[in-house]
Amino acid sequence: NAGVMQNPRHLVRRRGQEARLRCSPMKGHSHVYWYRQLPEEGLKFMVYLQKENIIDESGMPKERFSAEFPKEGPSILRIQQVVRGDSAAYFCASSRGQGRYEQYFGPGTRLTVT
Amino acid sequence: DQQVKQNSPSLSVQEGRISILNCDYTNSMFDYFLWYKKYPAEGPTFLISISSIKDKNEDGRFTVFLNKSAKHLSLHIVPSQPGDSAVYFCAASDVNYGQNFVFGPGTRLSVLP
Repeated sequence: NAGVMQNPRHLVRRRGQEARLRCSPMKGHSHVYWYRQLPEEGLKFMVYLQKENIIDESGMPKERFSAEFPKEGPSILRIQQVVRGDSAAYFCASSRGQGRYEQYFGPGTRLTVT
Repeated sequence: DQQVKQNSPSLSVQEGRISILNCDYTNSMFDYFLWYKKYPAEGPTFLISISSIKDKNEDGRFTVFLNKSAKHLSLHIVPSQPGDSAVYFCAASDVNYGQNFVFGPGTRLSVLP
């Protein structure tokens, strides 16, 4: 399967714990994006990364959230000290380049904070 | 402030008829638009795109129309099939500014057999 892969598909965390969401882009794609979808809402952009660089993090909450896309391995979205309001579906997308390239999405990680 | 709006939360259409999904945007700098389809518990699937230099793009049963002066685009599906039942998202970007897309809230399409 050469599509965008995300794991885990479902993640349950207690308030105060850390959540780590992983994303492997499509083969040949070096641009990764993270989106969050709250219940009954559309997708909200969080962060755009290229290998080893954060290009645009204008949608990331200022605290507790961080993202990385190392030279080797998947992109990681990390949420520290999770709260109930972090419960959402988190989608990763990848594209071949900048500009007029469509983004291809992974199946998402559904985070539930109890 | 929602920059991309899909004012119909849901739409029901009879199988074989045309489905028309609408999208309005407020940012006149947006110049690239996409439509995605999403089934429950899956990620969005890219359907079709259009750049602001065109006013129409067709791909099989799917056609997207762009009216720049009205800041409006629409997705036409004809003929509609039961498998088209899904949530459809419109997305827009200002390619000169960055790569992040702004998504609308989605329209749930139900195609009735």
